[in-house]
Amino acid sequence: AQKITQTQPGMFVQEKEAVTLDCTYDTSDPSYGLFWYKQPSSGEMIFLIYQGSYDQQNATEGRYSLNFQKARKSANLVISASQLGDSAMYFCAMREGTRNTPLVFGKGTRLSVIA
Amino acid sequence: DADVTQTPRNRITKTGKRIMLECSQTKGHDRMYWYRQDPGLGLRLIYYSFDVKDINKGEISDGYSVSRQAQAKFSLSLESAIPNQTALYFCATSDFGDAKNIQYFGAGTRLSVL
Repeated sequence: AQKITQTQPGMFVQEKEAVTLDCTYDTSDPSYGLFWYKQPSSGEMIFLIYQGSYDQQNATEGRYSLNFQKARKSANLVISASQLGDSAMYFCAMREGTRNTPLVFGKGTRLSVIA
Repeated sequence: DADVTQTPRNRITKTGKRIMLECSQTKGHDRMYWYRQDPGLGLRLIYYSFDVKDINKGEISDGYSVSRQAQAKFSLSLESAIPNQTALYFCATSDFGDAKNIQYFGAGTRLSVL
């Protein structure tokens, strides 16, 4: 079974609108971390935001927020006030257990922001 | 200068050739990783190393080997390249002292095996 599922291969959003990118995960470990990375067309991977399984509040970083619903095992990325520069691939990833385990990535969602 | 540097950035090689991809970092991190990215498949872990004396296989290590020459250097080798190893390869680092284990990526090496 896939550990990280991103069901939206591609998404479109109008500039200045908000958009939600979906991510569900599968783990039986009570301790885990969830990550979102951005990959623009230039190819590099850019860390956006992190949510720990024991964190009481949803993570926020500027225009990025993570809608963490633990019971549903979802960790959706919300981008507010979309900009043309937000057009990119977005990857959700998970670290199971302690800091000693590598990340597992989803297949990604391609976001296109329309002017 | 980039904190995580991959060389070369692009490489075209022929089937059967040995090729080495190199990664160096100035972040002072102890952990280093190699991933490959194929269209529609996301990133998959090839090998990872938690320190100079620690090497671990990832999800797709067959056909690859690695060397951790120093804390700052981690090389990936394809002993006999084959066309299905054509992909975008990423090196990443993280710090044991970071409880979140955030990984920081190099710019990638685009490899084509003909």
